[in-house]
Amino acid sequence: GAVVSQHPSRVICKSGTSVKIECRSLDFQATTMFWYRQFPKKSLMLMATSNEGSKATYEQGVEKDKFLINHASLTLSTLTVTSAHPEDSSFYICSARGNSSPLHFGNGTRLTVT
Amino acid sequence: DQQVKQNSPSLSVQEGRISILNCDYTNSMFDYFLWYKKYPAEGPTFLISISSIKDKNEDGRFTVFLNKSAKHLSLHIVPSQPGDSAVYFCAATAGGNTPLVFGKGTRLSVIA
Repeated sequence: GAVVSQHPSRVICKSGTSVKIECRSLDFQATTMFWYRQFPKKSLMLMATSNEGSKATYEQGVEKDKFLINHASLTLSTLTVTSAHPEDSSFYICSARGNSSPLHFGNGTRLTVT
Repeated sequence: DQQVKQNSPSLSVQEGRISILNCDYTNSMFDYFLWYKKYPAEGPTFLISISSIKDKNEDGRFTVFLNKSAKHLSLHIVPSQPGDSAVYFCAATAGGNTPLVFGKGTRLSVIA
C-alpha cells in the first residue's frame, strides 16, 4: 500500500539553529501534504497544508516565517523549523494521500531543542 | 471549539473481551471518518474508515459504527489482544482534499 517516509525520526539541535524535516510519498504522487504537530497528551494539530508548486496554507496561530514549508515535487514536502527554540520541541508528523486512499502518515520526527 | 471529541482519555480491557472506543463530532459537513492507531514515537497508522453513506464497516476484528443523527461513531475491537494496546485517534474530514480533524485520542490498554 501507499507509504509515506519521514526523515529524520529524531533530531536534537541547539537553540537558534534551523532543522529541516523531509516527507516523501514513496509509491504515489501527492499534490497535497499535511503537516501536524503533536503536543504531549494532546491531539494532532494541523499546522499547514502543503501544496505542490504553490505556497503552503497555514493554520491560524502558526508562524509561516518560522515553519517554512516547501513542496518541491509531487513526492516531497519539507518543513524547516527556523531559529528553533526549546518551545518548538515536539513531535512533527507529515501526511499525504493518493487519489483514493486514506490519509497515510509518516512515522514522525521527534525534535528536541536544547 | 473541538469538532471531534473523544471523551475517554483511557480504557482498560481484558484480553479476549470487546473494546469499545467512542467518538463524537459536531461538524455536520464531515462525511468521512477514520480511526488511526498510534504507538509511542511513531506516526499514526490507518486502521479503518467509514463513509457517511454507511452505518457500519467491518474489517476482521475491527468494526466501526456510525450514527449520523447522533453524530457519533464507535470502534469495536473483538476479541481484544495485548498488541492492540495503543492510542486510538478518531478523525473526520469534509471530503475532497480537506485535512483531517482529530480527536485527542483514547489510550487502550489490553490486559492479559
